[in-house]
Parts: sequence; C-alpha cells; structure tokens
Amino acid sequence: DSGVTQTPKHLITATGQRVTLRCSPRSGDLSVYWYQQSLDQGLQFLIQYYNGEERAKGNILERFSAQQFPDLHSELNLSSLELGDSALYFCASSLLQGSGANVLTFGAGSRLTVL
Amino acid sequence: AQTVTQSQPEMSVQEAETVTLSCTYDTSESDYYLFWYKQPPSRQMILVIRQEAYKQQNATENRFSVNFQKAAKSFSLKISDSQLGDAAMYFCAYRSPNHTGGGNKLTFGTGTQLKVEL
Repeated sequence: DSGVTQTPKHLITATGQRVTLRCSPRSGDLSVYWYQQSLDQGLQFLIQYYNGEERAKGNILERFSAQQFPDLHSELNLSSLELGDSALYFCASSLLQGSGANVLTFGAGSRLTVL
Repeated sequence: AQTVTQSQPEMSVQEAETVTLSCTYDTSESDYYLFWYKQPPSRQMILVIRQEAYKQQNATENRFSVNFQKAAKSFSLKISDSQLGDAAMYFCAYRSPNHTGGGNKLTFGTGTQLKVEL
C-alpha cells in the first residue's frame, strides 16, 4: 500500500456521461498530480495541485477538470466522455512543491472504460 | 520541452542474469532529476531508483543501479541477479529543476517490458 488512495478502482460508463475520480494523498503530502495512461498515449501528465492551488497543467482536455479540497484530497472530473477517454488514471502525491529529488508516490489507479 | 526516449519496447533476461534497460532524454536544463519506475501486472507504479543530475556518482539501490552519462543524456538501468518478481514494465522519467515553473511533474518514456525467464 503506497498510502495514496484512489477510488473507484474500476468504472464502466457510456459515451457522453460524466464521472468523478477521487484521490486521497499520502498523509502529510501537499501536492497531488493526475496522470492518464492509455495504450496509444502512454503516461501523460494532466494537472498538479499544491495545497489547494493549481500549479502545473499538462495535456488536460477542456472536458476534464480537477480540484484539490482543503483536506487535500483531489477530484478529477471527466465529462462528455468519449471512447478514447478509456484509460488508467493515476493520482500521485508528494510532500513539497519542489524540494530536492521530491519523489512522487502513485496510487493504484482508476481504470475507466467508456462504452 | 523535455522528451524521454526508451528505444527497447521489450527485453528478456534469464533468472539470475544481468540486464540493462536504456533511456535517453533531451533537455536544455543543466540541473534536473531522473527516475526509474516499475509497473508490475498489478499496474501500481513503484519507484525503483532516482538520480540527481548534479551528482556524478551513479545511484545504486540493492540489485538496481544506473549508468548516468550527463553529456550523452543517457540514463540506463542495470538489474543484477534478475528475479521473477522483476518482470514488469519499466519507465524512465525526467523532472525539471525546482526553480522552474513546471512544478514537480514527471515526463515519462514509453516504457520497456521486461520478461524474466527461468
């Protein structure tokens, strides 16, 4: 157990629907990162939050949004889902914004299947 | 933008033997961090080893070591005394230095699938 908790583990939904993925970071970690892993795109960085504020944005679609709450858990919202959104979505956390070889600890991922 | 290249989609090694996984990267930054992550069939991403670019000494973690060649922008992973549990997808990853605005995000390579044979 890495200490980063992601729910749900698996999710099957239909095109056009909206889903929310949830992440609880490791105790004490202030930064949360979202990654998408798909067969054709590999591991793609989506977005990072630090202590409730957005810090970095990657290849995140406009249909996707995220936030980090005061208790530091984060949610990734995916809307108007398309078949190509089927992927494994990882959440990772780290202690500080940018300190040394600040290591990211990953959760087990949420597997999203869009039918 | 930084890119990370892993040119070996698949590698095989006999149990107890040594294998080296290749990784090259492209960057104009002089200070950065490099990582190897392992993804077994469980899909969990597990940190294997990390290297700070300002350190000349190659990092070592038990049976895992790296060969970091900064001038060549090469960062290979050597696994000694390979075990069945080492079978996994291995990802090389790059992180920019702390003072840049890019946060702590990692840029990953496409991965190398390692098979360990009896």
